Amino acid sequence: AQSVTQLDSHVSVSEGTPVLLRCNYSSSYSPSLFWYVQHPNKGLQLLLKYTSAATLVKGINGFEAEFKKSETSFHLTKPSAHMSDAAEYFCVVTSSGTYKYIFGTGTRLKVLA
Amino acid sequence: DTAVSQTPKYLVTQMGNDKSIKCEQNLGHDTMYWYKQDSKKFLKIMFSYNNKELIINETVPNRFSPKSPDKAHLNLHINSLELGDSAVYFCASSQGGDRANEQFFGPGTRLTVL
Repeated sequence: AQSVTQLDSHVSVSEGTPVLLRCNYSSSYSPSLFWYVQHPNKGLQLLLKYTSAATLVKGINGFEAEFKKSETSFHLTKPSAHMSDAAEYFCVVTSSGTYKYIFGTGTRLKVLA
Repeated sequence: DTAVSQTPKYLVTQMGNDKSIKCEQNLGHDTMYWYKQDSKKFLKIMFSYNNKELIINETVPNRFSPKSPDKAHLNLHINSLELGDSAVYFCASSQGGDRANEQFFGPGTRLTVL
C-alpha cells in the first residue's frame, strides 16, 4: 500500500527567505514521487518529479527536492521565496505497475511581504 | 493550444438534476483520469481509462458514470445530484502506465449543488 503525508498544512515565510515543504511517503515498491502546485482557482502544474534517477531533483521556478530513501522523505525546497510562490502544494506518490496517483493533503504556502 | 480542457468551468445546479462534465486532451495520451477535490483541497482519484477501457474505478456512487468515446475524451455524467457532490472535478491525462509519466491536469470544473 502507498501513502503520502504532508507534515504541514500551512507554511508562512517572508519574501526572500527559504522555503521548506515536508513530505514523507510509504510505498511497498520503488516509488515515483512528484510535487504539484495549485494556484488559486487554477489546475495543477508539475513542479518536479523523482523516478529513480538522481536523488536531487531540480524543478521549475527554482524549486528542488531530495529523495531520501532512508528517511522515506521527499521534501520540497526553494532558496528564496517569491510572492508568486503563494499557492497550495501537493506531494504525490505512485509506483511501478499502477496508474494511481496518491495525493498528500496539501500544504498552503503563504509568502509575506 | 490547451493540453487538457474541461467544460464547463463552473456548474451550478439543483439537487436531483443530472449533469455532465466534458474533458478533452490534445496531447495524444492514451490514459485519462477524473479526480474530485473536496472543500479541504483533498484530491482523490475517481476513475481512469486506458485506450477507452476502464482501469481504475474507486469507491464512487453508481450515480457517477464515466464515458470515453475515444482516447482523447473522457466525460463524467452524474445522475441525481446531491449536496455532497459539490466539489471541484479535475480531468487529467498521461501516456501509458509508466510510473514515471507525468499526469497533465485540466483547469477543473467547480460543481455547486443547491
